[in-house]
Amino acid sequence: EVQLVQSGAEAKKPGEPLKISCKGSGYIFTSYWIGWVRQMPGKGLEWMGLIYPGDSDTRYSPSFQGHVTISADKSTNTAYLQWSGLKASDTAMYYCGRYLFADPYFDFWGQGTLVTVSS
Amino acid sequence: QSVLTQPPSVSAAPGQKVTISCSGSSSDIGSNYVSWYQQLPGTAPKLLIYDSIRRPSGIPDRFSGSKSGTSATLDITGLQAGDEAHYYCETWDSSLYVVVFGGGTKLTVL
Repeated sequence: EVQLVQSGAEAKKPGEPLKISCKGSGYIFTSYWIGWVRQMPGKGLEWMGLIYPGDSDTRYSPSFQGHVTISADKSTNTAYLQWSGLKASDTAMYYCGRYLFADPYFDFWGQGTLVTVSS
Repeated sequence: QSVLTQPPSVSAAPGQKVTISCSGSSSDIGSNYVSWYQQLPGTAPKLLIYDSIRRPSGIPDRFSGSKSGTSATLDITGLQAGDEAHYYCETWDSSLYVVVFGGGTKLTVL
């Protein structure tokens, strides 16, 4: 059974760094892209970027390029989304999903990680 | 502002049919398959339709998708109270090399 399990909710202050995770199981982690999607409170889905864990090829949305870093660790089947310094506007739910590039669609999703940034 | 345009809301009575549209351009919907996701309140999105017309295992045939030119459509028949959710379309933009989502449509079952 394919599963993506994300790390738990985070409450941070502006300027603090943060790294959240998405652990895949039940499939060959290095053979599928992982994408990250932001959902701000009461808003729609926004694509942030993709990573191919097999070779760490990474693509970013222009809206998020330079603001976040996407990475992956093949040894632990885990993808990451990180910020060097959070802003209040980063408060949102973040989802990871397994992405089939050729078709294209997200076939499995993580449960989401809520990030709250407040002073 | 989302690249793909969806109506903000649709509504219909139980048992009836509803159609949700998704409008794009030649570089996104016009060049690629479309997928649809259902997001129930407080939950992660769930794949409903992929390759514009295909349903994953476990998705009832009450849900169907179609695509024509630069637009796609999600039809839901035999509406049930449990179908109340937000629905999103998604595809790839072959010019910008980005994933694009619609703004989402809130379905209300009256």
